[in-house]
Amino acid sequence: QKEVEQDPGPLSVPEGAIVSLNCTYSNSAFQYFMWYRQYSRKGPELLMYTYSSGNKEDGRFTAQVDKSSKYISLFIRDSQPSDSATYLCAMSLSNFGNEKLTFGTGTRLTIIP
Amino acid sequence: NAGVMQNPRHLVRRRGQEARLRCSPMKGHSHVYWYRQLPEEGLKFMVYLQKENIIDESGMPKERFSAEFPKEGPSILRIQQVVRGDSAAYFCASSPLGKQGYRSYEQYFGPGTRLTVT
Repeated sequence: QKEVEQDPGPLSVPEGAIVSLNCTYSNSAFQYFMWYRQYSRKGPELLMYTYSSGNKEDGRFTAQVDKSSKYISLFIRDSQPSDSATYLCAMSLSNFGNEKLTFGTGTRLTIIP
Repeated sequence: NAGVMQNPRHLVRRRGQEARLRCSPMKGHSHVYWYRQLPEEGLKFMVYLQKENIIDESGMPKERFSAEFPKEGPSILRIQQVVRGDSAAYFCASSPLGKQGYRSYEQYFGPGTRLTVT
């Protein structure tokens, strides 16, 4: 079993729809949770960063963490064609020297104009 | 403020040659991480370095791979005697020291070096 599971998709939705992306994880010691966006043949771009459980909103993006269920989500409102990319969840432990990120395999998202 | 820089962007090596990948972190960042992305797979951690120190190399293959982050200059990931299975995208990320000496857990990625072994 992988430490972080993410549905690879592909996921296609019409422009303007709400997109929901999810990851589950098995290691309850993870404390920091991130979402990255990666365009084809580019480096990952940090979108959202949350610590422990709760919600965080930034513009059209909302990140949710439910540590009791070991489940994290990213919601994209009013989706745009420019949101078409692969979305990677990532997480890390809290201890110094353990900042390495463990990634999901990514969900490929296409927004249809 | 320039982002993380990696060079070369593309590197082609024949089997048995050495590959040397360079990473310059963002200004003010003193922590560097290397990750590898194989086709159709997620990013996998390789090594975490500070200036002149390897902090965590638990993701590095035991042989042929090495990394350094000297006091001056970029971080370097070196792969000796490359094999076809080393073909992948190699990403470098950097992270700043947070307030009061605590590390920030945000990592910012470079554009990657795509290594092709023929």
